Amino acid sequence: GEDVEQSLFLSVREGDSSVINCTYTDSSSTYLYWYKQEPGAGLQLLTYIFSNMDMKQDQRLTVLLNKKDKHLSLRIADTQTGDSAIYFCAGGGTGGSYIPTFGRGTSLIVHP
Amino acid sequence: DTEVTQTPKHLVMGMTNKKSLKCEQHMGHRAMYWYKQKAKKPPELMFVYSYEKLSINESVPSRFSPECPNSSLLNLHLHALQPEDSALYLCASSHQPGGAGELFFGEGSRLTVL
Repeated sequence: GEDVEQSLFLSVREGDSSVINCTYTDSSSTYLYWYKQEPGAGLQLLTYIFSNMDMKQDQRLTVLLNKKDKHLSLRIADTQTGDSAIYFCAGGGTGGSYIPTFGRGTSLIVHP
Repeated sequence: DTEVTQTPKHLVMGMTNKKSLKCEQHMGHRAMYWYKQKAKKPPELMFVYSYEKLSINESVPSRFSPECPNSSLLNLHLHALQPEDSALYLCASSHQPGGAGELFFGEGSRLTVL
């Protein structure tokens, strides 16, 4: 199955850009997802990218995919304190199932 | 309505108790999922129901028993649990079975086993 690795923590100042990185092992993953989990809450899909794309932009979010290096990143422009949360990278689409396999999550802390 | 509702939000139970977690969605989704999340860990898939039939059981111990009474409801029956089963249990649903597209998550039921 898919194995997904992320750095555990990231701390930024409000207004700066945040970049959260992820590496995955299974090159046959069709979908790569970014989910956000706020304290005491479930997970919320932020965005996803198909494996045949290099980049996807959605308002303040930019996803970059490097298939050769199996590296995925999420950039959040103009980071706000409300962006403080855990961000999970996930891969899906191997073996006929698109059910996401989650990484350990990166805890983003935004300082005023 | 884009919500997945889970009850109870918190549950404390002894190792000899029998309890149930409940999950409900009214989005017409045909797949529903149970995930287990330990502190500072990613969610781990437990069960998947597709069209009200159990399609995936990720080798979960039999002390966890899922049930899907209809397309809107998903239960997780708990019996003879161990303290290491204490975790956040997340329910999710998706329009299509197989997880294609977005999974909608509930806020979870936080379980403590004494």
